[in-house]
Amino acid sequence: KQEVTQIPAALSVPEGENLVLNCSFTDSAIYNLQWFRQDPGKGLTSLLLIQSSQREQTSGRLNASLDKSSGRSTLYIAASQPGDSATYLCAVRPNTDKLIFGTGTRLQVFP
Amino acid sequence: KAGVTQTPRYLIKTRGQQVTLSCSPISGHRSVSWYQQTPGQGLQFLFEYFSETQRNKGNFPGRFSGRQFSNSRSEMNVSTLELGDSALYLCASSRPPGTEAFFGQGTRLTVV
Repeated sequence: KQEVTQIPAALSVPEGENLVLNCSFTDSAIYNLQWFRQDPGKGLTSLLLIQSSQREQTSGRLNASLDKSSGRSTLYIAASQPGDSATYLCAVRPNTDKLIFGTGTRLQVFP
Repeated sequence: KAGVTQTPRYLIKTRGQQVTLSCSPISGHRSVSWYQQTPGQGLQFLFEYFSETQRNKGNFPGRFSGRQFSNSRSEMNVSTLELGDSALYLCASSRPPGTEAFFGQGTRLTVV
């Protein structure tokens, strides 16, 4: 059974820091992996999608890497801003139907 | 380009009642999935529809059901509501199944 873990559960940093959020999964047989952010009481916003054949994806200040063999993905946020404050969720897709989510990392960036 | 639209945004229901939630996917997206989010269990998969067919169902009781229409819009229904059904229900759409998922703002259901 695929399980997804995110560490740390919460993170509080000053503005401007570079951050690394971690996601680990137990079964390396995945179709793809997707990172999301969620603001309080809102839906999920897609950040990056990494296919199983890819090693990384970049969008603006965000970079996500994937190491299937070790069951790990990291989300790197450069030059963090207060607007980055949110919960970040990692989700793996074992095949083409469902996403299995981690419990999230709650990020607070203070000025 | 319009995103995923979920209606209603908020609902308050009484135990024992039933409820229907609606999801309109992004134009051109034919796959719709539903998830339940609670503080205790996090995000859990309910079911996925593609071309009006349910492709997969999560580990939820039969009180939870859904359907998809020919225009790809989807509804989910929960019958005989229980207090534990209080949650944020999220809908996601993808172009074909397995591609990037885009989520709506959710429906906040409170059962009293």
